[in-house]
Amino acid sequence: QVHLQESGPGLLRPSETLSLTCSVSGDSMNTHYWTWVRQPPGKGLEWIGYIYYLGDTKYNPSLRGRVNISIDRPRRQFSLRLTSVTTSDTAVYFCAREDSGGLTPWGQGVLVTVSS
Amino acid sequence: QSVLTQPPSVSAAPGQKVTISCSGSTSNIGYNFVSWYQQIPGTAPKLLIYENNKRPAGIPDRFAGSTSDTSATLDITGLQTGDEAHYFCEAWDYTLNSGVFGGGTRLTVL
Repeated sequence: QVHLQESGPGLLRPSETLSLTCSVSGDSMNTHYWTWVRQPPGKGLEWIGYIYYLGDTKYNPSLRGRVNISIDRPRRQFSLRLTSVTTSDTAVYFCAREDSGGLTPWGQGVLVTVSS
Repeated sequence: QSVLTQPPSVSAAPGQKVTISCSGSTSNIGYNFVSWYQQIPGTAPKLLIYENNKRPAGIPDRFAGSTSDTSATLDITGLQTGDEAHYFCEAWDYTLNSGVFGGGTRLTVL
């Protein structure tokens, strides 16, 4: 059974860099797209970006220039970096695997709060 | 404002059927597959439908997806109180070169 788990700091100051890691178990990461999605409190889902297992990336154009997704297949992890955060980046961040066009499974999510 | 448009809320009685719509454009739903997700508050979304109308293992056939032109629909029949959740549609948008979600629909089972 495939399991994903997000980890990283839960509190950031404005202008700092958000760094999250998604640890994957039950999958060798030798295929699939590995995706980040976020959800501001009380709001809908926002697609952040994905990384293909070979390293190709796609990002939400609204975040382009601030976002980077990387993968470490031997460690079975992929990571999200978002620079120059503001209070608008406060959200629950989820990692997920894309399988046949759908995102499954998902991690449980991690709340990141940006506050001065 | 979400690229895919969903009604904010729908409701129906237990045992009844509800339809949730997702309206897009030729650059997303009209071009690519649609997925649907169920999110119970406080938990991660769960995949219900992929490739417009396919169900992952373990998803009952009470959940059915379809598409027509630039719109998608999720039908839920035999409503149960456990179906109360938010439902989101999602597709790839080739103009934005990005995944896009609908704003979500809150289902209330009266």
